[in-house]
Amino acid sequence: RKEVEQDPGPFNVPEGATVAFNCTYSNSASQSFFWYRQDCRKEPKLLMSVYSSGNEDGRFTAQLNRASQYISLLIRDSKLSDSATYLCVVNPVYNFNKFYFGSGTKLNVKP
Amino acid sequence: NAGVTQTPKFQVLKTGQSMTLQCAQDMNHNSMYWYRQDPGMGLRLIYYSASEGTTDKGEVPNGYNVSRLNKREFSLRLESAAPSQTSVYFCATKGTGTNTGELFFGEGSRLTVL
Repeated sequence: RKEVEQDPGPFNVPEGATVAFNCTYSNSASQSFFWYRQDCRKEPKLLMSVYSSGNEDGRFTAQLNRASQYISLLIRDSKLSDSATYLCVVNPVYNFNKFYFGSGTKLNVKP
Repeated sequence: NAGVTQTPKFQVLKTGQSMTLQCAQDMNHNSMYWYRQDPGMGLRLIYYSASEGTTDKGEVPNGYNVSRLNKREFSLRLESAAPSQTSVYFCATKGTGTNTGELFFGEGSRLTVL
């Protein structure tokens, strides 16, 4: 079983739409959670960390549900520039040097 | 301030050839990583180095060797390349302080093995 699983998409949404992605993780001992953004043929870059209490950064909101072992990313008022692949990343408590990546969810925002 | 620099950016090899991917960072981070990314597979950890002088295997170490030459440099070597090693390779460092937990990536090295 994969450590981290994501729906690969693509999610095709119009500008201005709200879209949400989920990501499930298999190890209940996981400690830290992140969303990364990866543009086509580029390196991943941190979008936001995911805290237990949830967190918001502008149009982006991340939530953690430890009981069900999933994290979510909500994007409001989608922009064309939000088109990218969003990677869910989990860091286990037993090894803070290891990061497990989901395969990514592709988002296409259309005019 | 270059961050994480990888060389080469592109390489084509024949089966059985060897090569080394170089990675250098100027961020003064202790931990460095080598990942490979294949379509539909996400990033998979090959090797990592928690500090100068130490290296550890990740999920997919077979066919690779690494050297943590000093705090700045972490190289990945393919001794006898195979077509299954065709991939995009990313080097990364792990942030400290206010950036703890954040990974900083190089631009990637695209390797094709024929």
